[in-house]
Amino acid sequence: GAVVSQHPSRVICKSGTSVKIECRSLDFQATTMFWYRQFPKQSLMLMATSNEGSKATYEQGVEKDKFLINHASLTLSTLTVTSAHPEDSSFYICSARGEPNTGELFFGEGSRLTVL
Amino acid sequence: KNEVEQSPQNLTAQEGEFITINCSYSVGISALHWLQQHPGGGIVSLFMLSSGKKKHGRLIATINIQEKHSSLHITASHPRDSAVYICAVRFGWTSGSRLTFGEGTQLTVNP
Repeated sequence: GAVVSQHPSRVICKSGTSVKIECRSLDFQATTMFWYRQFPKQSLMLMATSNEGSKATYEQGVEKDKFLINHASLTLSTLTVTSAHPEDSSFYICSARGEPNTGELFFGEGSRLTVL
Repeated sequence: KNEVEQSPQNLTAQEGEFITINCSYSVGISALHWLQQHPGGGIVSLFMLSSGKKKHGRLIATINIQEKHSSLHITASHPRDSAVYICAVRFGWTSGSRLTFGEGTQLTVNP
């Protein structure tokens, strides 16, 4: 099946620094990628939807200047958490959708961010 | 409001037992997904359903469109089945509409 790779799997950073998380589709072209955030014992929360070559669409309440999403190629989307604060500590996971859109879901392995 | 409800929230079973996890949703959907989230956090898509029943190995997923209900069954459960199982629903009638996730069911299978 299709593979989505996410990196890094774990990252620890200091408050005020920026962290970049990458999401790559390894064997298909991902025209659309989704970024989710998950707090402990809670369900996935959609942060934004990114389409290759265009600006991401952010969900209500998600700060676009804080969570920068870039989808510059059909195989790579990045999420950058800028000026990270301890409350940004969470599990971030991406999923990708290829063309033709069959509705199938392909998820990355997730990235656990800890901001000190 | 489009809602997805899963039950039970937590489930503990002995190895070999038959497991059922339920998912109910509020309005019409175009597809329902069952996902498995491993302890490390990675998510695997188990099934995508729009009607009927699907089987893969020891896993069976069913959906009743009229009753707006789906079940995930695990036969001959094994400790390696321990994970969080998530029901995700695509409300509306297009494959592009957003997903709504259930809260998940934490399954623990003891040897």
